[in-house]
Amino acid sequence: NAGVMQNPRHLVRRRGQEARLRCSPMKGHSHVYWYRQLPEEGLKFMVYLQKENIIDESGMPKERFSAEFPKEGPSILRIQQVVRGDSAAYFCASSDRGGNSPLHFGNGTRLTVT
Amino acid sequence: DAKTTQPPSMDCAEGRAANLPCNHSTISGNEYVYWYRQIHSQGPQYIIHGLKNNETNEMASLIITEDRKSSTLILPHATLRDTAVYYCIVRAYSGGSNYKLTFGKGTLLTVNP
Repeated sequence: NAGVMQNPRHLVRRRGQEARLRCSPMKGHSHVYWYRQLPEEGLKFMVYLQKENIIDESGMPKERFSAEFPKEGPSILRIQQVVRGDSAAYFCASSDRGGNSPLHFGNGTRLTVT
Repeated sequence: DAKTTQPPSMDCAEGRAANLPCNHSTISGNEYVYWYRQIHSQGPQYIIHGLKNNETNEMASLIITEDRKSSTLILPHATLRDTAVYYCIVRAYSGGSNYKLTFGKGTLLTVNP
């Protein structure tokens, strides 16, 4: 039973480029969460999605960041016109339902902006 | 959100029980206590969660005080691979179907040989 799969594991982008991070939830899970961990800091909630719907995006920066979870395929976190401050580890988690169902995390994508 | 307080670091000898404390004195009646850990450069790993009864699984035991203001995570026989940052989280309802998981600084547990 595969866990949450994130790719790529490492991503290098130059300032101004776009970064696309993909997350395939665990089988049977329809709830996806994205978190960001800046160097030497804690994990910060970004967005919570169900299939085709954004439920809570209170942690998303207002500009350049977007997320989707289409009916078919993985969830995508998209960062346009990346800046050095976007360098971080981005973690995706999934759960089989909302409420108090435990979140299971992937091993993250480490984005480096040069 | 109900806040949690954890010691920043702890040490434990390999093979001994590791007891990680957590204070959550402002917890509400319907809020669960969750424990996760993060081994360096990996994603957080779910350990256990509970509401008011003590819980046990293959990884750990969770002891919650009767007033629910504090809890203890117990790793019965710590190994070197248990060295990680352990997060105690009170999962708070934040609207709709969302119960937000908010990570603090956690406790760095170092298991020594």
